[in-house]
Amino acid sequence: DGGITQSPKYLFRKEGQNVTLSCEQNLNHDAMYWYRQDPGQGLRLIYYSQIVNDFQKGDIAEGYSVSREKKESFPLTVTSAQKNPTAFYLCASSIYGYTEAFFGQGTRLTVV
Amino acid sequence: KNQVEQSPQSLIILEGKNCTLQCNYTVSPFSNLRWYKQDTGRGPVSLTIMTFSENTKSNGRYTATLDADTKQSSLHITASQLSDSASYICVVSVGSQGNLIFGKGTKLSVKP
Repeated sequence: DGGITQSPKYLFRKEGQNVTLSCEQNLNHDAMYWYRQDPGQGLRLIYYSQIVNDFQKGDIAEGYSVSREKKESFPLTVTSAQKNPTAFYLCASSIYGYTEAFFGQGTRLTVV
Repeated sequence: KNQVEQSPQSLIILEGKNCTLQCNYTVSPFSNLRWYKQDTGRGPVSLTIMTFSENTKSNGRYTATLDADTKQSSLHITASQLSDSASYICVVSVGSQGNLIFGKGTKLSVKP
């Protein structure tokens, strides 16, 4: 099955901890994206990557970090510097920046 | 400032009825406009994508329209079903890089 997979579906973090959200795709897409979704808000771009070993900050990158060592993988680390990390995180991929974007099923992160 | 505004914020209709969701955008330069359906706790799924030259595009019971002059789009749902209950998100792609501007969505509830 081709697709984009996020894991875990639910994640709980203690204050002061870093956590890493996984995003894997087998669609052979060049571009990958991380979005944050809060209730009543539109999706906001955290980071994006258009090729391996390169990534760019989005609108709300502070407190987050990413890596793109492989075309298939784009993990997102939520660091302790992110003061309000509780949210629904969505990963997406596309062949190129302006073509159809496919989304994963999301990871709901909660700070406990 | 690039913005996408959707209305109404929420909508309740009876099963079998039709409805229309609105999207107004102020985005430049415009690349394309997409409508996504997002079930609660899931990732968005694409319904339609339209470029500047397309006025109408259908996907089953979903029909999207685009008026590039007035910068308005609508999503018409025909003969609604309970499974149509979801948030519908209007997304506009900007320029050649394809940065995506998300609306906040319209939450549709279809009641029996």
